[in-house]
Amino acid sequence: GIQVEQSPPDLILQEGANSTLRCNFSDSVNNLQWFHQNPWGQLINLFYIPSGTKQNGRLSATTVATERYSLLYISSSQTTDSGVYFCAVMRGSTLGRLYFGRGTQLTVWP
Amino acid sequence: GAVVSQHPSRVICKSGTSVKIECRSLDFQATTMFWYRQFPKKSLMLMATSNEGSKATYEQGVEKDKFLINHASLTLSTLTVTSAHPEDSSFYICSARDPGTSGRTDTQYFGPGTRLTVL
Repeated sequence: GIQVEQSPPDLILQEGANSTLRCNFSDSVNNLQWFHQNPWGQLINLFYIPSGTKQNGRLSATTVATERYSLLYISSSQTTDSGVYFCAVMRGSTLGRLYFGRGTQLTVWP
Repeated sequence: GAVVSQHPSRVICKSGTSVKIECRSLDFQATTMFWYRQFPKKSLMLMATSNEGSKATYEQGVEKDKFLINHASLTLSTLTVTSAHPEDSSFYICSARDPGTSGRTDTQYFGPGTRLTVL
């Protein structure tokens, strides 16, 4: 299967700081999604971004498909941003199966 | 975004009993649903892929007789943990694939999860 690596594994920030999370993948993909898992376990879709750049409020994401990586930017972080951020990719041949990275555990202190 | 519900959210049962977990896509028809298991501070582990009207495809190492999956309609899939034991205690999450009709992109949406504790 395809390998998905996320970095850093853990990130601790002061409220108001900016951060960049990275996702590398080992093969070409036709779908890439970023998720936030909140402390209650709910996975929330942040971005569907197989290529290009998207922004949603304080969050933005960029995927460079040719170089097999994606970045998630969080600006002016808030305590509610805490949780685990997962990157997941899909290949066209896998009928919708997502391959997950191990996640980045983000803790934002007030 | 699309909504996927999961019921129950939490269940505690005695060893040897069976537990059924339901996963529903509320505002779209899901051609495929997936069942995951997540251990504390770990990533999601895919257990099986479920297509409406056909048998589920299980990942290597997942016992199909232990984890029964039924996908009776385009909006409902169920996971039954049979003869549960304490080692089956975990967080189970389903997802539903919206294939991208009606202007949507091919995206997966996740249920809120079910925390199973087997005593």
